[in-house]
Formats: sequence, structure tokens, C-alpha cells
Amino acid sequence: DAMVIQNPRYQVTQFGKPVTLSCSQTLNHNVMYWYQQKSSQAPKLLFHYYDKDFNNEADTPDNFQSRRPNTSFCFLDIRSPGLGDAAMYLCATSAGFYGYTFGSGTRLTVV
Amino acid sequence: KQEVTQIPAALSVPEGENLVLNCSFTDSAIYNLQWFRQDPGKGLTSLLLIQSSQREQTSGRLNASLDKSSGRSTLYIAASQPGDSATYLCAVHNNNAGNMLTFGGGTRLMVKP
Repeated sequence: DAMVIQNPRYQVTQFGKPVTLSCSQTLNHNVMYWYQQKSSQAPKLLFHYYDKDFNNEADTPDNFQSRRPNTSFCFLDIRSPGLGDAAMYLCATSAGFYGYTFGSGTRLTVV
Repeated sequence: KQEVTQIPAALSVPEGENLVLNCSFTDSAIYNLQWFRQDPGKGLTSLLLIQSSQREQTSGRLNASLDKSSGRSTLYIAASQPGDSATYLCAVHNNNAGNMLTFGGGTRLMVKP
């Protein structure tokens, strides 16, 4: 089945230690997104790629960066995780107006 | 700026009841509206997608309606089951903000056996 796959499902990192979350898709969608979701809140868009064009939300902290080496893969890099960055990170894809497909998420814990 | 509101925020019903979840949005300039389900600690699963030109979509026991002019959508769940317990999120795809989704705050549903 075509899908969006996030790895790992659970990630524990130390305060200040860089961490990378990954997302891959088999849908061949041209747009990929990273969302942050904290407990009992709606997902919050961090940034998205339209093909290779990177679009950062105005309020996304500089601590968060992303890479998209090809259509299938997208990475979220957190340079110096703080306790406030503990959250579920969701990757999603879309193409045109055919709806969004989300991955299963990566739950990040910062210790 | 698009705002999406979901009412109620939480709902508890006995098994077998039919129920309606509500979603309202402030800007009717949308491409489509999507309903998602989220289980605790998991990602979002798409339930139904309604394009702006459509009035409703059905999948099994789920029926979603869209009234774009009034800025409203409802998700109807027939004969609810304990397995339906989850958070339901409504999201609109805006046509004046690139490819952005705006989410509602969700309705947390508990179906009791």
C-alpha cells in the first residue's frame, strides 16, 4: 500500500543533543509537511516543501530545520532540543486537492 | 485568517447511539474539508474528504456533510461502537494560503460499552 512512513516511532534524546526524524513516502506526492503536535492540541505546521521549494512558517523556531534530498524523503532536524520540544512530530504529504496523508508520527522525548 | 472550531470538545455516549460532531470555519474560500481520526499517541488517519463542490461523502457508518456557504460541516457516526473512541479532527484546505490545512481543536469521543 502507498503510504507515509515515519522513523523512528519513539525517539528519546538528551537536552541539547541534535536529533533527526525521518519521513518517507511511496505516494509520489509533490508536497511534504512537518507538523508538531503537543498533548491535547491540534497539529501545528512547522514547514513544508513544494517540490524542492522550502517554506518556513513565520513562528517556527530557528532550532528546527528540514531537508528534502528527493521526492520520497524528508527529514526534520532539531539542532538543540529543549524540554519544550517534546511532542509528537507528524509528517504529511499532499498532491493537488486530493487531501492529505499523514504518517504514524514520531513521539519525541527530551531528557 | 481561517479559524476552525469543533463542538463539542469532548463527548461520551453509550454504545449503539448515533452521534453528530460539528465543525465550523470562518472563511468559505476552501478547496476541500477533511475529517481525521487520531488514536492516543498515534498519527492521523483520514476518514473522509469532501471537495468544495460536494455536499457529502459516506464511508461505512460515517457520513460527512459540507455547507460551504454557511461554513459548516458535520460528521455523523451511526451505531457507535467502543472502537470508535478517539479524537476526531476537522481540517480545511484553504485556497488563499498556498497548500495549508487549518485544523480544528478536535472532539474527543468516548463510546462506552
